[in-house]
Amino acid sequence: AQSVAQPEDQVNVAEGNPLTVKCTYSVSGNPYLFWYVQYPNRGLQFLLKYITGDNLVKGSYGFEAEFNKSQTSFHLKKPSALVSDSALYFCAVRDLRDYKLSFGAGTTVTVRA
Amino acid sequence: NAGVTQTPKFQVLKTGQSMTLQCAQDMNHNSMYWYRQDPGMGLRLIYYSASEGTTDKGEVPNGYNVSRLNKREFSLRLESAAPSQTSVYFCASSGLAVNTGELFFGEGSRLTVL
Repeated sequence: AQSVAQPEDQVNVAEGNPLTVKCTYSVSGNPYLFWYVQYPNRGLQFLLKYITGDNLVKGSYGFEAEFNKSQTSFHLKKPSALVSDSALYFCAVRDLRDYKLSFGAGTTVTVRA
Repeated sequence: NAGVTQTPKFQVLKTGQSMTLQCAQDMNHNSMYWYRQDPGMGLRLIYYSASEGTTDKGEVPNGYNVSRLNKREFSLRLESAAPSQTSVYFCASSGLAVNTGELFFGEGSRLTVL
């Protein structure tokens, strides 16, 4: 079975400060890892993914994530947060051999001006 | 570009009523999914269809049925709605042959069962 944990329900940062959203995963085989963002009353939008290769993955809107196999983590980062980054963020994992994508519970990010 | 289209966007049912949520994608994707989103629980997979002609249960299939009508369309049916099925439902699709996982989501269908 595969699973994802997002240990923080909420993250609050000031605009211009670094933003980090934490994610750890559990999967039996090689993981495919993803971050999605959801704005109010909208569907989820894909931000970035790790499949293989470089552990630092760059995605949309200036976000990046670092894959750490020994710590089974895939934390989402942005060097300088914007008020418009305020949203609900989901980490997700898929086993290489499976079609199913499992999501974490989500982290609400609030960036204050 | 339409992407993934879900209908209806909102629905209120009484306990015991039935309804079907419709989903269509215009990206020629092979795989389609139905998720439900509940506060504090993230998204949970109800059913998925890896390719046309196949469907499989996800984490929470009880009380639901699905039909992969063709490559474009994947419907979710509630035969006898219960208050526990009050949720926001999302349809998604994925097109890569090796399923590296990027899902495209619809805007959601908000269902309330009284």
